[in-house]
Amino acid sequence: KNQVEQSPQSLIILEGKNCTLQCNYTVSPFSNLRWYKQDTGRGPVSLTIMTFSENTKSNGRYTATLDADTKQSSLHITASQLSDSASYICVVSANTGNQFYFGTGTSLTVIP
Amino acid sequence: DGGITQSPKYLFRKEGQNVTLSCEQNLNHDAMYWYRQDPGQGLRLIYYSQIVNDFQKGDIAEGYSVSREKKESFPLTVTSAQKNPTAFYLCASSIDMTGYTEAFFGQGTRLTVV
Repeated sequence: KNQVEQSPQSLIILEGKNCTLQCNYTVSPFSNLRWYKQDTGRGPVSLTIMTFSENTKSNGRYTATLDADTKQSSLHITASQLSDSASYICVVSANTGNQFYFGTGTSLTVIP
Repeated sequence: DGGITQSPKYLFRKEGQNVTLSCEQNLNHDAMYWYRQDPGQGLRLIYYSQIVNDFQKGDIAEGYSVSREKKESFPLTVTSAQKNPTAFYLCASSIDMTGYTEAFFGQGTRLTVV
């Protein structure tokens, strides 16, 4: 069964600190993996996208890694800001069917 | 600006009523999707459309209906048959469904049954 699991479910960190979010998937055949940021009451916005051959991808303070062998990805946020408070969703695409498989998200709260 | 527009942002429905959520995109994307988001759950696919005049049921299509008469538009009707319609609804589009394209999302419609 195609599944995407994220951990932790929620996280609270102090402003300026770093954090890492995890994503494990069983989606096959794998096409690519994206991390989205969703602010409360808004639609998700893409942060990074990685294909099978890519191990790491950065977007400013966000760095995503992918291990296609173990089917794991992480999103590392450096020097967190209050505006980073949001839900972060891992989305894995397959080459068949309805294409996108969503994790349940990690709710990140950055406090001053 | 290019993007996806959902309307309204908030919608209230009385029990037994049908309501229609609007989704319009000017990205020239072939594929469009409707998702439902509930607290603590991942997005669940309601319907998707790969091309104009074609659409397919997703994982939770019961109680919902869609149409795709124009490339730009993919409205979702929540019928009275949907037993628990209160949720946050997201529309998305992508260039195609090859698996290599990014999904772009609208800002969502929050539907509440009163």
